[in-house]
Amino acid sequence: EVQLVDSGGGVVKPGGSLRLSCAASGFTFSAYTMNWVRQAPGRGLEWVSSISSSSSYIYYVDSLKGRFTISRDNAKDSLFLQMNSLRAEDTAVYHCARSGHWNYGAFDIWGQGTMVTVSS
Amino acid sequence: DIQMTQSPSSLSASVGDRVTITCQASQDITNYLNWYQQKPGKAPKLLIYDASNLQTGVPSRFSGSGSGTDFTFTITSLQPEDIATYYCQQYDNYPFTFGPGTKVDIK
Repeated sequence: EVQLVDSGGGVVKPGGSLRLSCAASGFTFSAYTMNWVRQAPGRGLEWVSSISSSSSYIYYVDSLKGRFTISRDNAKDSLFLQMNSLRAEDTAVYHCARSGHWNYGAFDIWGQGTMVTVSS
Repeated sequence: DIQMTQSPSSLSASVGDRVTITCQASQDITNYLNWYQQKPGKAPKLLIYDASNLQTGVPSRFSGSGSGTDFTFTITSLQPEDIATYYCQQYDNYPFTFGPGTKVDIK
């Protein structure tokens, strides 16, 4: 079964750090661009970051201003999001999502999401 | 950044009704437009890619059309299991952006 499993969320104080993980199974992880998408409570979807299959191309939403770093380990079929200098407005459910093999902009498989709460 | 708008923000319709949602981009995105369905507490699901192509396994009552800046998403016969929020998303340029969503429920 094609699957993405998100983990690593939790409660963190403002200014703190957290590392999210996404474990892939059921497909050739190294062949796909991967993404992080977040959703603040009661709000819509926000694309956060994308990383190409070989990590050659990486993109972020401008508002992150270098606080977040996306990475992947193709040998371990895993995607990561290192989040530093966290703010209250980063509170959200974070989903990893696979880009379609024929369409890098369409997210065809999603993880269940992991909740990040930034609060003192 | 490309801004996406959707209308309406919410709607109520009866089972069997035709439902239409519109999505507008702030600039020409050709057909680089996808539609997702999100049910409460669940991850989004890709329904339509490249404005009008039905994702594998998605029922044929869902369809999409449009190009440039104006797009339409249609459910030809609303079913109870279609209760969800629907989002459009452009990928013409980074950062990818989503519309604010349209919440659909049963009248």
